[in-house]
Amino acid sequence: DAGVIQSPRHEVTEMGQEVTLRCKPISGHDYLFWYRQTMMRGLELLIYFNNNVPIDDSGMPEDRFSAKMPNASFSTLKIQPSEPRDSAVYFCASSPDRWGNTDTQYFGPGTRLTVL
Amino acid sequence: GQQVMQIPQYQHVQEGEDFTTYCNSSTTLSNIQWYKQRPGGHPVFLIQLVKSGEVKKQKRLTFQFGEAKKNSSLHITATQTTDVGTYFCAGPGSGAGSYQLTFGKGTKLSVIP
Repeated sequence: DAGVIQSPRHEVTEMGQEVTLRCKPISGHDYLFWYRQTMMRGLELLIYFNNNVPIDDSGMPEDRFSAKMPNASFSTLKIQPSEPRDSAVYFCASSPDRWGNTDTQYFGPGTRLTVL
Repeated sequence: GQQVMQIPQYQHVQEGEDFTTYCNSSTTLSNIQWYKQRPGGHPVFLIQLVKSGEVKKQKRLTFQFGEAKKNSSLHITATQTTDVGTYFCAGPGSGAGSYQLTFGKGTKLSVIP
């Protein structure tokens, strides 16, 4: 299994530009999570999906952030317009639903975003 | 909302010394998970504890879940340079949020050869 795939691995952009991060979860996993990691705030959950449906987006910082999951094998996280404070590592993780409750989360390699 | 706190934030040890990180939750947890993130890497699942008072071992790593299911610890015996990284505990939400995890801030372990 290829694991969770994220692209791009690194993104450098200028303030005000649109940024799109992409994620391919592990095949067969029902849950997909987007996290943001910074030194100051640690690992924060932004949004998660179950069977392609957004379940909880309360962690999305503001309207500039949006996430979609058009099918079971693809999700995007978009920031428009981007700001320097959005600079962070963004992780996508997927999880099966084997136990009927919280299951292991498998993280992708992350996208390191720098907004100048 | 739920809070998961970890201490210490940083730990520097000489190779061969032991290491322990502690995790405390503001609420009772149905289970707790531990992850390790190597420098420049991504979090990788280590273990899940479910039962009150549960103790699990993975070679030199010992994981404990408190009797009240509100705290947990990870102990590494005789650290090696390969143990370097940040160790996170994570607890599930409750009710409708039970599929999401709240991560602690992590304990960053440095091992001096």
